[in-house]
Formats: sequence, structure tokens, C-alpha cells
Amino acid sequence: AQRVTQPEKLLSVFKGAPVELKCNYSYSGSPELFWYVQYSRQRLQLLLRHISRESIKGFTADLNKGETSFHLKKPFAQEEDSAMYYCALSGNAGGTSYGKLTFGQGTILTVHP
Amino acid sequence: ETGVTQTPRHLVMGMTNKKSLKCEQHLGHNAMYWYKQSAKKPLELMFVYSLEERVENNSVPSRFSPECPNSSHLFLHLHTLQPEDSALYLCASSQGLAGLDEQFFGPGTRLTVL
Repeated sequence: AQRVTQPEKLLSVFKGAPVELKCNYSYSGSPELFWYVQYSRQRLQLLLRHISRESIKGFTADLNKGETSFHLKKPFAQEEDSAMYYCALSGNAGGTSYGKLTFGQGTILTVHP
Repeated sequence: ETGVTQTPRHLVMGMTNKKSLKCEQHLGHNAMYWYKQSAKKPLELMFVYSLEERVENNSVPSRFSPECPNSSHLFLHLHTLQPEDSALYLCASSQGLAGLDEQFFGPGTRLTVL
């Protein structure tokens, strides 16, 4: 079975401080990992995916297969980063022939001025 | 309207009612999804359709009945629901079913079952 765990339901930082949102996963195969974000009054949208190895809005995430983690990091948080962040895993566990997306419980990030 | 739209945005129904949720995507995608978002649980995948064919029924009770008449429209028919079914129901679409395909979400329908 595939599982995603985000241990922090709430995370508060001050503007300019570094931020790290934790994500751990459980999956027997080779996973595809994503971070989705939901800003206030907006719909859920993709922030970044591990295979792209890109930085979006200053955020990066590195897949660590040894620790089965995909933590989201930003060196200097901004107030506009306040949102709900979901880590998600796509895999074909269970014999399915497609990438089934499994979400973590989400972390609400609040960046204070 | 662009992207993924859902109607209605809010719905209140009794346990004996029958109602339907509608989702429409204007992105030319081939796959569509229903998710349930409860207050204290992660986003849960309910159904997946690819080219109008259901490819996943994630152990969802039969009181939820999906319908996909074409690749642009997806319905969720509701009947004899329970109060614990109250949640935000999200529709999403993607180009295909590949694991790397980004899913585009609608705004959701907030369902309250009395």
C-alpha cells in the first residue's frame, strides 16, 4: 500500500525565516512525488514535482529514498506563502496500470509579518 | 469558463434525497477524478475515469454513483446519504493517467447531509 505522512498539521514561521514542510512516504516501488498547494479561496494546484527538479516560488523539494522523505523547503518565507500544502505520491501499487495519487493530510503554513 | 468547474458549489440535502454533483473540464483532458475531502482525513480518491471508462472504484459505498457520459463531463449521483458523507467533493482532470500527469482541480462542492 502507498501512504503519505505529513507530521505537522500546523506550521508557523516569521517572514524571512526558513521553512521546511515535512513529508514521508511508504511505497514499495519507485514513487513519483508532488507538492500541491491551496491558497486561501483558491483551488488546489500543483506546486512542484520531484522529477522536474525545479524551484517554484522559491520552494524546492528533494526526494530522499533512504529516508523515504520529500520535504518541501524555502530559505526565506514570504507572507504570500501562507497556504495549505499537500504532499502526494503517485504509484501503481495494487496492480493498477496508472499512477494513483495518494495525498497526505496537509500542513497549514502561516507566515507572520 | 476555463479549467475545471463544479456545480453546485454548496449543497444541503436530507438523507432521503437524491441529488447530483456535476463537473466539467475545459482542458481537453482524457482522465477525470472524484475526491472526497473530510475535515479530519486526507484527500481520498473515490473514482477515476479514463476516456469515459471507470478504472478505479476505491471501495466507495454504492450510495455514490458516478457517471461519465463523455471525456468533458463527470457526475456524482447521490442517494440515501449519511451525515458522515458531509464533506468537500473535489473533481479533477488530467491529460492522461500517467503517474506524472498533473491533476487540475475544481473548486469543489461543499456537501452537507442532514
